[in-house]
Amino acid sequence: NAGVTQTPKFRILKIGQSMTLQCAQDMNHNYMYWYRQDPGMGLKLIYYSVGAGITDKGEVPNGYNVSRSTTEDFPLRLELAAPSQTSVYFCASSYVTRESGYTFGSGTRLTVV
Amino acid sequence: QQQVKQSPQSLIVQKGGISIINCAYENTAFDYFPWYQQFPGKGPALLIAIRPDVSEKKEGRFTISFNKSAKQFSLHIMDSQPGDSATYFCAASRYNNNDMRFGAGTRLTVKP
Repeated sequence: NAGVTQTPKFRILKIGQSMTLQCAQDMNHNYMYWYRQDPGMGLKLIYYSVGAGITDKGEVPNGYNVSRSTTEDFPLRLELAAPSQTSVYFCASSYVTRESGYTFGSGTRLTVV
Repeated sequence: QQQVKQSPQSLIVQKGGISIINCAYENTAFDYFPWYQQFPGKGPALLIAIRPDVSEKKEGRFTISFNKSAKQFSLHIMDSQPGDSATYFCAASRYNNNDMRFGAGTRLTVKP
């Protein structure tokens, strides 16, 4: 059981470049999330999805886009990278009930220079 | 604004000691309070969680204490072990709301 798989693990982008962070889960979870983790700031929700074809904004969505065409995949798109997007990005998934907890991937460390 | 405030930022405890991490929340609509444990290079993992209808929940060496009137909750790690060294996040969420709010995290170091 792979759980939540994120790729790549590390990436350096130049200002203005674009990239897609990949996230896939094999647990048949309906809910999926993208968080960013900054030092001393905890985790902040960027976007989430409650099922294929349904996405919604979280606390810090500006500069990002998502899509959910299948239950398994939830890619995060950065269109015009900015230094403020330097962060560690975590994808997570869960069942409908929050008490089952979120399963997180191991993260993508992104640096924008 | 940070809806869940966590302290301390870092904590050093001797092996066998008690580790205590505190969180305070602002939104009285929050009704689910989990704690997540994160090891270096890994994503956070659910450790233990509590609802506001109970004042304490214990799982092994980990205990959550909850004070609804003060809008505070805390994680106690009894008999702390070097393997407990990790970053701990408290969190809070509202029923039927997918925007779980996390605290800033506490880096715990347990010295042998």
